[in-house]
Amino acid sequence: QQQVKQSPQSLIVQKGGISIINCAYENTAFDYFPWYQQFPGKGPALLIAIRPDVSEKKEGRFTISFNKSAKQFSLHIMDSQPGDSATYFCAAMGGKLIFGQGTELSVKP
Amino acid sequence: KAGVTQTPRYLIKTRGQQVTLSCSPISGHRSVSWYQQTPGQGLQFLFEYFSETQRNKGNFPGRFSGRQFSNSRSEMNVSTLELGDSALYLCASSVRQVGRTDTQYFGPGTRLTVL
Repeated sequence: QQQVKQSPQSLIVQKGGISIINCAYENTAFDYFPWYQQFPGKGPALLIAIRPDVSEKKEGRFTISFNKSAKQFSLHIMDSQPGDSATYFCAAMGGKLIFGQGTELSVKP
Repeated sequence: KAGVTQTPRYLIKTRGQQVTLSCSPISGHRSVSWYQQTPGQGLQFLFEYFSETQRNKGNFPGRFSGRQFSNSRSEMNVSTLELGDSALYLCASSVRQVGRTDTQYFGPGTRLTVL
C-alpha cells in the first residue's frame, strides 16, 4: 500500500515533442504528489507538485494531471528540450515521501 | 536563501567502520529527512527529525541512526558499514507547517563508497 509505481523506466523523445511519465499509487491517505528532476551527481530538485483536490496543475512547459478516482497522476513535458534530459521521480507524501523508481528521459536534438 | 548543504560530498570507508554525515537545512526549515539512493532500490526514506526528535522512521536496521540539533542541523550515523551501504545519502529539509504537507528540498547528497 505504500508503493508508488512509475512508468516507463526510460523514455526517448525528439526535441519539441511531448514527454509523458505516469505514476500510480494505492494509499488514499497520500495528500501531496511532487515530481522531482535529478541530473547526474546532483540531488533531486522539485519540479512541480499537486494536491489531490486539484485535477491539473501547469507551470510553464510542465503539467501534472491527477486522477483521484483512478489513483494515478502523470507528468507532461511540452516542447521537450535536450536540457530536459534527466531522471524524473514521482513521489507521494503520507508522513514521508514515497518515491517511484524513476524515469530516465533522453531528449534527442 | 542558501539551499540544503551536506558534508562531506564524498566518502570512502571500509567494511566495519562507522561514518557520520552532516546536513544543514535551509534557513527557517525545522524538519530534516534523510534518504538513501541506490540504483537497485531507488530512493528510500530513512528517517525524519523535527524539533530534535525523530518523528518518522523507514525500514532500515538499527545501524542507521540520526540526530538533530537545536539549530535544526542534522547528522546521520551508520555503524559497522557493509558493502551494501554504498549509496548516495540525501538530506531534505522542509518548513513543516502544522496541518499541511509541505515541500521537501534536497541537498546535493553525500556519496558513500564502502570497500
